[in-house]
Amino acid sequence: GIQVEQSPPDLILQEGANSTLRCNFSDSVNNLQWFHQNPWGQLINLFYIPSGTKQNGRLSATTVATERYSLLYISSSQTTDSGVYFCAVPPNSGNTPLVFGKGTRLSVIA
Amino acid sequence: GAGVSQSPRYKVAKRGQDVALRCDPISGHVSLFWYQQALGQGPEFLTYFQNEAQLDKSGLPSDRFFAERPEGSVSTLKIQRTQQEDSAVYLCASSFPRGTQYFGPGTRLLVL
Repeated sequence: GIQVEQSPPDLILQEGANSTLRCNFSDSVNNLQWFHQNPWGQLINLFYIPSGTKQNGRLSATTVATERYSLLYISSSQTTDSGVYFCAVPPNSGNTPLVFGKGTRLSVIA
Repeated sequence: GAGVSQSPRYKVAKRGQDVALRCDPISGHVSLFWYQQALGQGPEFLTYFQNEAQLDKSGLPSDRFFAERPEGSVSTLKIQRTQQEDSAVYLCASSFPRGTQYFGPGTRLLVL
């Protein structure tokens, strides 16, 4: 099945710093989602981004489907950005369940 | 509008006990997914419904796990004769067909 790898596994940032999280996937996909899991366990949708670039406030994401990777950029990080960031892709086309990476655990310190 | 809701939020069960976890999807979402998330891991797929039809249950770890969605809305995940390895967070998600999946807050199950 499709493999999803995220890097780095852990990241510690000073408040105000910028960061880039990476997601590699082993097969072509027609859907990719980025999530933030907050310390209370809630998975929050960040982006639905099968290709191209999207921005939402301090966050932006770029997916290069032909090269099988996606990047999540966090600028001017805040302590509330702490948590685990997951990318997820479907194993095949159509409305299928998502395959998640192991996540990047981000800690933003004041 | 209301998001995906799950109940109970926390459940402690004695080994061997049966449990039932409920998911209320976003109104109008025909697709419903159950995932299991172990500590420190990403969510892993359990089963998937489109309306009341269970289209894929390949992720259910054993025949002690059973899910239903009889009227195409609310879904229940049942675990019979719980074991300690069933301890995890159980997440439910819903979506329109081929759309973004939205997740509920999860049910944290602890089997003693």
